[in-house]
Amino acid sequence: VLTQSPGTLSLSPGERAIFSCWASQSVSSNSLAWYQQKPGQAPRLLIFGASTRATGIPDRFSGSGSGTDFTLTISRLEPEDFGVYYCQQYGNSPMHTFGQGTKLEIK
Amino acid sequence: EVQLVQSGGGSVQPGGSLRLSCAASGFLFSSYNMNWVRQAPGKGVEWVAYISGNSDTQYFADSVKGRFSISRDNAKKSLYLQMSSLTAEDTGVYYCARTWLLGGLDYWGQGALVTVSS
Repeated sequence: VLTQSPGTLSLSPGERAIFSCWASQSVSSNSLAWYQQKPGQAPRLLIFGASTRATGIPDRFSGSGSGTDFTLTISRLEPEDFGVYYCQQYGNSPMHTFGQGTKLEIK
Repeated sequence: EVQLVQSGGGSVQPGGSLRLSCAASGFLFSSYNMNWVRQAPGKGVEWVAYISGNSDTQYFADSVKGRFSISRDNAKKSLYLQMSSLTAEDTGVYYCARTWLLGGLDYWGQGALVTVSS
């Protein structure tokens, strides 16, 4: 089970956003990914392997963590960063478990 | 360009069946494991099913085990989800998604809406 917090973040452009994801058991090989989803769109892969940015993802997005505690940080928010952010584990088996999501609102 | 184009969504009565399709292009389809992920209205995303590149391994979420089946036709570069004994809880948008070789799901279909209602 993956648990994300907070449920909602409300921040202004230029601020830093920090998303947390806790796993109920250790995630093998740091096999954790982060996604961004905007309304009416499919999720977009941001980070894999806990800290590696996917192709085309700006360097203001960064991932960290290991074991059971993981973090996604957006260093300087842009207006287009709104949406729901999900963590996902894929290492313990091919069954890709998602967290419940954190909604990011831009003030 | 990698593309996953879905078809087959629609409305069905409880207890009914439906098959979703996902046509792949722009990559060597047989080399990639594939998945179905769904999202109920206003809810988070839920992984549903996985199939390996050569179809020898399949996994299902507990919520659909025994009711859904996943298959692929590598010659046709297509992925399928056969859904049966559908209930209202199966209502949502269903996405096909490619497993990235280094981890995560890197390409997604556009989604197909499945509505289970009497």
